[in-house]
Amino acid sequence: DIQMTQSPSSLSASVGDRVTITCRASQGISNSLAWYQQKPGKAPKLLLYAASKLESGVPSRFSGGGSGTDYTLTISSLQPEDSATYYCQQYYSTAHTFGQGTKLQIK
Amino acid sequence: QVQLVESGGGVVQPGRSLRLSCAASGFTFNTYDMHWVRQAPGKGLEWVAVISYDGNNKYYADSVRGRFTISRDNSKNTLYLQMSSLRAEDTAVYYCAKQLDIVAPFDYWGQGTLVTVSS
Repeated sequence: DIQMTQSPSSLSASVGDRVTITCRASQGISNSLAWYQQKPGKAPKLLLYAASKLESGVPSRFSGGGSGTDYTLTISSLQPEDSATYYCQQYYSTAHTFGQGTKLQIK
Repeated sequence: QVQLVESGGGVVQPGRSLRLSCAASGFTFNTYDMHWVRQAPGKGLEWVAVISYDGNNKYYADSVRGRFTISRDNSKNTLYLQMSSLRAEDTAVYYCAKQLDIVAPFDYWGQGTLVTVSS
């Protein structure tokens, strides 16, 4: 199965900051990469797919990029409601594996 | 609107079995691949299994292969996960999830059902 490695595992930033989370796949995944946001006690929510396509209803401050094995999630201007854990997921292979998660805290 | 409602979780002893269900509504169930994902307490998401829209193709994570069986009943719009030989490390919230499209991520998730394996 394809292994997904996220970094950092946690970070703390202030409202208005620009934040970037990275995700590396163990092999090329041809932009078959999604990002999810999960808040405590809730199911994950799809933010982006195909590496850079914004899911309907997701604020435009979220953006994604990358290619090959390396991908990024960027929040352009952090808001208090963005406090959550973020996961990348590859769906290139049948086993849709996840990264280990990045916990984002607001200072 | 799309709804996925899991049920069947609970406390079970190691080595025993349990069957989870996921009742789907608000979309044409028999045209979408469906998945199970789990999350151990305080841990990250772990993909568990997938079943094709017609039930003919199934695939499992190494950690559950040979012990868990995914199935579906398209006449009842329901997804199942039969779990056997349960271990303490299977303790988790289990989510069912709908795949957005062919070669796609998950656009809808259930609320999850907690399975606790403990003597």
